[in-house]
Amino acid sequence: DAGITQSPRHKVTETGTPVTLRCHQTENHRYMYWYRQDPGHGLRLIHYSYGVKDTDKGEVSDGYSVSRSKTEDFLLTLESATSSQTSVYFCAISESGGLRTDTQYFGPGTRLTVL
Amino acid sequence: RKEVEQDPGPFNVPEGATVAFNCTYSNSASQSFFWYRQDCRKEPKLLMSVYSSGNEDGRFTAQLNRASQYISLLIRDSKLSDSATYLCVVNNPGSNYKLTFGKGTLLTVNP
Repeated sequence: DAGITQSPRHKVTETGTPVTLRCHQTENHRYMYWYRQDPGHGLRLIHYSYGVKDTDKGEVSDGYSVSRSKTEDFLLTLESATSSQTSVYFCAISESGGLRTDTQYFGPGTRLTVL
Repeated sequence: RKEVEQDPGPFNVPEGATVAFNCTYSNSASQSFFWYRQDCRKEPKLLMSVYSSGNEDGRFTAQLNRASQYISLLIRDSKLSDSATYLCVVNNPGSNYKLTFGKGTLLTVNP
């Protein structure tokens, strides 16, 4: 299995509080991604990173920000959590874009509940 | 047309059955295709990539039909351990590092 960890694994928080989720990899892969997974929607890309300090928005980025100061860490921040952000959050990594899309490997996920 | 569309199922089959999953994708420029499996309350894991010529891995066979923009996954001699959600995944045209995931098809293999 790819070396990807996520912390915390479970979190319950209140509306309006800031929340930061961490993704850590030991594979030295260039690309990192944050997804959320909700019933009826499947996996949706929030933000991704293509290198240290290089990030871009995905399809559901509103209300989220990210940072990547080191190759191994990718942080997802909910500036002011809302109940609609209750979800399972997955981090993923891939080695490189190249001519063919690389496989993405996923972390174990973080279950976030916003009350 | 949705970007990646799968039959949501659920599929309930007996052990030993052959089951087929189908998936369609909307953008003919997509170049990379995958099947992932996701166990209940776990992360998605790569099952197999899908190549133009079709490919097989043990009991699993994946096929790609570019003309019809259609991908399939066949599972032969299904096992209880095959019970999972199967996700069809296609790369975003114009991006060789972003993927679009189907919503998945739930399979339950019964004894």
